[in-house]
Amino acid sequence: GEDVEQSLFLSVREGDSSVINCTYTDSSSTYLYWYKQEPGAGLQLLTYIFSNMDMKQDQRLTVLLNKKDKHLSLRIADTQTGDSAIYFCAESGGYSSASKIIFGSGTRLSIRP
Amino acid sequence: DSGVTQTPKHLITATGQRVTLRCSPRSGDLSVYWYQQSLDQGLQFLIQYYNGEERAKGNILERFSAQQFPDLHSELNLSSLELGDSALYFCASSIRGGNGETQYFGPGTRLLVL
Repeated sequence: GEDVEQSLFLSVREGDSSVINCTYTDSSSTYLYWYKQEPGAGLQLLTYIFSNMDMKQDQRLTVLLNKKDKHLSLRIADTQTGDSAIYFCAESGGYSSASKIIFGSGTRLSIRP
Repeated sequence: DSGVTQTPKHLITATGQRVTLRCSPRSGDLSVYWYQQSLDQGLQFLIQYYNGEERAKGNILERFSAQQFPDLHSELNLSSLELGDSALYFCASSIRGGNGETQYFGPGTRLLVL
């Protein structure tokens, strides 16, 4: 079945770049997403990429997609304390169910001063 | 603020009880999704409705049911509650509920079963 995996924790120094990685198994995935969840809050869509794209940049965020390796990454440039959150990788558009989104377990990003 | 509202924010109840969670989608969105987030299971898709009809089903237990009303709000009913049902329940909405559409999440309802 479909699966999305990501590491559980990442710690970076304030001002450095953060790179959060994700792998997925469904080769028919059409859309890949990054969501952010701050403590006590719901999920916020950060960005998404279509499977026919390699890269998408949006201000401090850069998404890279390696479709051959089924690997997705999110780079946050100049990481700030406000970036502390859990980041979820997700995919949808696979053959198994039209609009179901499969989420990874989330990567908790912490920022060191 | 995503425009999706959920009530109540918090709910504490006992095992064996039944609760109803409510969701109002963003204005103009026809599709509603329900998700469960728990420590052991992570974030799981439960069910999706589009314009009042069930569209897709995920890992939803038989004790759980949902519906979407003519005004497009949705309710998730959880019955015969067990301790393991304690979780954060999210509702999300999208315009047409199509493949890969962006889903906007509400703030969630935190359910605690004692």
